[in-house]
Amino acid sequence: GAVVSQHPSRVICKSGTSVKIECRSLDFQATTMFWYRQFPKQSLMLMATSNEGSKATYEQGVEKDKFLINHASLTLSTLTVTSAHPEDSSFYICSARERTANQPQHFGDGTRLSIL
Amino acid sequence: DAKTTQPPSMDCAEGRAANLPCNHSTISGNEYVYWYRQIHSQGPQYIIHGLKNNETNEMASLIITEDRKSSTLILPHATLRDTAVYYCIVKAGGYQKVTFGIGTKLQVIP
Repeated sequence: GAVVSQHPSRVICKSGTSVKIECRSLDFQATTMFWYRQFPKQSLMLMATSNEGSKATYEQGVEKDKFLINHASLTLSTLTVTSAHPEDSSFYICSARERTANQPQHFGDGTRLSIL
Repeated sequence: DAKTTQPPSMDCAEGRAANLPCNHSTISGNEYVYWYRQIHSQGPQYIIHGLKNNETNEMASLIITEDRKSSTLILPHATLRDTAVYYCIVKAGGYQKVTFGIGTKLQVIP
């Protein structure tokens, strides 16, 4: 089945650091990728939709200057958490969808971000 | 997208069938039913989806009622590795995004 690879799986860094997370679709082309965030004991919350070659669409309440998204190719999207603070600590999950309509989204294994 | 209602938690004995219900009484004609699950500290895993007909794959079966207002995900022989949160999601076809509710926490008991 379709595979989405997310890297790194875990990051621990100091407050004020910027952190980049990569999301790759390994065996299919994804014109659209999605970034989610999940806090402990909560469900996944969609942060933004990333379209190849264009600007990302952010959900209400998500700061676009804080969470920079780049979708430069059909197989790679990156999320950069800029000047991260402890409240940005969370589980970040990317997802990609195959180009064929009605196909399911496939998810990466997530990145556990801990800001000290 | 139509709203779904799932029980917050369920238990199932190992080796028995796990039947997870989902109510989606406001589903529209062009909306599909998708099921995902999330094992602790992992990303969600796609299980199955359907529009009107019942569907079966190597992981599970999806039974959709004739009026499409509810569905049931069936794991035929639950194992301990099936312990996870199961999400029932209804969304239109095409390229709409997947949004998650609370899901059902399934605990498979030895």
